[in-house]
Amino acid sequence: AQTVTQSQPEMSVQEAETVTLSCTYDTSENNYYLFWYKQPPSRQMILVIRQEAYKQQNATENRFSVNFQKAAKSFSLKISDSQLGDTAMYFCAFMTFSGTASKLTFGTGTRLQVTL
Amino acid sequence: NAGVTQTPKFRVLKTGQSMTLLCAQDMNHEYMYWYRQDPGMGLRLIHYSVGEGTTAKGEVPDGYNVSRLKKQNFLLGLESAAPSQTSVYFCASTHHPGTSAYNEQFFGPGTRLTVL
Repeated sequence: AQTVTQSQPEMSVQEAETVTLSCTYDTSENNYYLFWYKQPPSRQMILVIRQEAYKQQNATENRFSVNFQKAAKSFSLKISDSQLGDTAMYFCAFMTFSGTASKLTFGTGTRLQVTL
Repeated sequence: NAGVTQTPKFRVLKTGQSMTLLCAQDMNHEYMYWYRQDPGMGLRLIHYSVGEGTTAKGEVPDGYNVSRLKKQNFLLGLESAAPSQTSVYFCASTHHPGTSAYNEQFFGPGTRLTVL
């Protein structure tokens, strides 16, 4: 079975500080993609960042970056210069491929609170 | 572009009632998905479609049926609602699920369903 584990149910960070959210996964697939999604109180799922498993270089997107350790099956998200608008649930997910379709497997999420 | 829209946003049902959730996308995406989100859990795949006229089961398909009569619409039906189906339902779509730069799944705003 393919699983995603987010071991931090809740985290808090002060505005302008840096925070790292952890994610580990388990799969026997060699070809997959990894994602971090943000879900603010509006409930909308928003893609934060994506990483191709075959790429060694860590993805970055403005204040968001990942630390992808393929051998350890680890995919953490670092948020720099945290802003109040970063307050949300964050879900780690990975995508595998079966025939013509892709499937996303999600972790249980980390609730991030950014404080003044 | 409206992106992915879902109708309705909220619904309360009594046990045994039936209803249909509508998902519509205006991005000409081939692939569409229905997920459910429960407290303390990530999103779980219910059913998906790889094109007009096709449907397939996901991780938790029992108690649900789907139809994809038009490319832009993906319907999720509950024939006889049960309290265990109380959840938030998300629809998503993607252009190309394969190993490409276009495999991001775009999500709708969700439907909160309560079954009494």
